[in-house]
Amino acid sequence: DAGITQSPRHKVTETGTPVTLRCHQTENHRYMYWYRQDPGHGLRLIHYSYGVKDTDKGEVSDGYSVSRSKTEDFLLTLESATSSQTSVYFCAISETTGINEKLFFGSGTQLSVL
Amino acid sequence: GESVGLHLPTLSVQEGDNSIINCAYSNSASDYFIWYKQESGKGPQFIIDIRSNMDKRQGQRVTVLLNKTVKHLSLQIAATQPGDSAVYFCAETGGGADGLTFGKGTHLIIQP
Repeated sequence: DAGITQSPRHKVTETGTPVTLRCHQTENHRYMYWYRQDPGHGLRLIHYSYGVKDTDKGEVSDGYSVSRSKTEDFLLTLESATSSQTSVYFCAISETTGINEKLFFGSGTQLSVL
Repeated sequence: GESVGLHLPTLSVQEGDNSIINCAYSNSASDYFIWYKQESGKGPQFIIDIRSNMDKRQGQRVTVLLNKTVKHLSLQIAATQPGDSAVYFCAETGGGADGLTFGKGTHLIIQP
């Protein structure tokens, strides 16, 4: 998957606990993204990054925070997980410098919040 | 085409036939379009893209057609194979801060 590794691949957690998902890329691409995928909604953008320590909110950012301390790593944190955050989370990177153009995706993290 | 509610539209084709998957978009300012393939349990995989200054682009066994007049995009897969079974969805952008807008997908089923 285009040099993108997501971890963990599966996680089950309880409501109210913090959760951090990791995305690691080996392509040295500037842009990185976190999406969630839910039935009936398709892919929705949570947060994105256009460089180290440069991040911005997407369409569904409430309840999520991100950090990017190195080019290759982009972390997504759920400060206090809720059942509505049960979803499949995908990290993506951009091949080009144009924001959101030609995204390449990781394999996803299945998160279940009980 | 695009899905309504929780159920994806399904296209069932015979192995060896050609498949045509459709996508309607609403933003007349969109100028870049992508088709993705997503197999069960995997991330979306880039197939082909097209810019608004083109109306057709061909790849290996795939062709994307763009009709800006009616805001319609289609993906044609030639000689469909069992490995083509997946969910296919389109994405579009006008280059603004909103980035790519993704369709909900069409499930392509290949019958032997």
